[in-house]
Amino acid sequence: GENVEQHPSTLSVQEGDSAVIKCTYSDSASNYFPWYKQELGKRPQLIIDIRSNVGEKKDQRIAVTLNKTAKHFSLHITETQPEDSAVYFCAALYSSASKIIFGSGTRLSIRP
Amino acid sequence: DTAVSQTPKYLVTQMGNDKSIKCEQNLGHDTMYWYKQDSKKFLKIMFSYNNKELIINETVPNRFSPKSPDKAHLNLHINSLELGDSAVYFCASSQDAGATQYFGPGTRLLVL
Repeated sequence: GENVEQHPSTLSVQEGDSAVIKCTYSDSASNYFPWYKQELGKRPQLIIDIRSNVGEKKDQRIAVTLNKTAKHFSLHITETQPEDSAVYFCAALYSSASKIIFGSGTRLSIRP
Repeated sequence: DTAVSQTPKYLVTQMGNDKSIKCEQNLGHDTMYWYKQDSKKFLKIMFSYNNKELIINETVPNRFSPKSPDKAHLNLHINSLELGDSAVYFCASSQDAGATQYFGPGTRLLVL
C-alpha cells in the first residue's frame, strides 16, 4: 500500500550538532521525494527535494540522500541553529495515484 | 503577492453547522489539493483537482464536498460539522500532479 514511515518522531540536538531524519517508502515506482519544514503555527514549506535519478543533493547546511534499492531516504542538517527548530515532513510521490504521501513528521528541537 | 491564500484563517463554529473554506492560487498551477492536519500533526490528503477535475478523493465523509469553479480556486464545503472535524485544513497547489506543492497558510477550524 501507499506508506511513508518516518523516524524519529522527536529529535533534540545541541546547537551546532547534526540532525538526521530517516524515511522509508513502499512503492518502488516512487520517483520524487520532497522534504517540508513546518514552523509552529505556519504552513509546511519545501526545503529540499530529490528525484530518483540522483543519490544525493545538498543545499548549504541541508542534504538529502536516497537509496532506491532499500527504498529509504534521509535528511541531514549540519551545524544546527535555533531557527532549525520545527516539524519536518518527508514525502514520496506515488506516481500511479498521482499523489504525495507524507510521513508522520519529526519534531526537531535545537538545544542552546 | 500571496501565492496560495485561504479564507478564513480561523473558524469557530457549533456542531451541526455548515461552513465553507476558500482557496485561491495565483501561480498558474493546474493542480490543487486539500489536506487535513490533526492535533498530532499528521498531514493527510483529502482531495485533489487537476484543471477543475477531481483526481483524488480519499476516504473522506461525504459531508465534505470540494468544488473547483476554475483552476485557480478550490473551495471546501463541510456539512453537519462534528467535533472530530476540528483540525487545520491546508490548501496547496502544484504545476501538475507530480510537482512541488505550495501550501496556503491554513484554516484553523474548531468545532464546539
